[in-house]
Amino acid sequence: GEDVEQSLFLSVREGDSSVINCTYTDSSSTYLYWYKQEPGAGLQLLTYIFSNMDMKQDQRLTVLLNKKDKHLSLRIADTQTGDSAIYFCAEKGTGNYGGSQGNLIFGKGTKLSVKP
Amino acid sequence: DGGITQSPKYLFRKEGQNVTLSCEQNLNHDAMYWYRQDPGQGLRLIYYSQIVNDFQKGDIAEGYSVSREKKESFPLTVTSAQKNPTAFYLCASTTGTGKSNTEAFFGQGTRLTVV
Repeated sequence: GEDVEQSLFLSVREGDSSVINCTYTDSSSTYLYWYKQEPGAGLQLLTYIFSNMDMKQDQRLTVLLNKKDKHLSLRIADTQTGDSAIYFCAEKGTGNYGGSQGNLIFGKGTKLSVKP
Repeated sequence: DGGITQSPKYLFRKEGQNVTLSCEQNLNHDAMYWYRQDPGQGLRLIYYSQIVNDFQKGDIAEGYSVSREKKESFPLTVTSAQKNPTAFYLCASTTGTGKSNTEAFFGQGTRLTVV
């Protein structure tokens, strides 16, 4: 079936850049997403990218998409302690690998720890 | 303000009891979802519903049941058949499952503990 893979942990120092990586299965996915989850809370959409784009920038966030390698990354510039959270990569399922078209397929999440 | 609301935030269940988790949205979204989150496991899909009076099993539906009698509401019942129900449960809704962008809005979650 469709699968989204992420490393589970990332630790950076305050002020450094963070790069969270993700690989996905379905090369025909149209939309790819990054969600943020703070402790004890639900997920919030950070940003998304359409599959015909290579890069999207939104303030401190930069998303890079390599469709050939099915690789997505999220770069957070000038990382702050408030950025400490779990970050989920997700792809919009196409139904090509079973399951329902349109359902979001989530990775296991990368826990970002920011040290002062 | 539009949003998606889960209740209660914390729930305790005795062995052998059924419990129901509430999820309500006023976003006029067609599709609603229930996920279970365990440490290091990410989000696993329990059930989803794309339209009123219809729902489908997700990856881990055993021991759970749902209903979708109204567009706004998608309650999840954790039955006594679910052997390991202690987890964080998240409800989400989306505008639909067509070809356009599908932003998911999440509730704040319910933490269920078996005592």
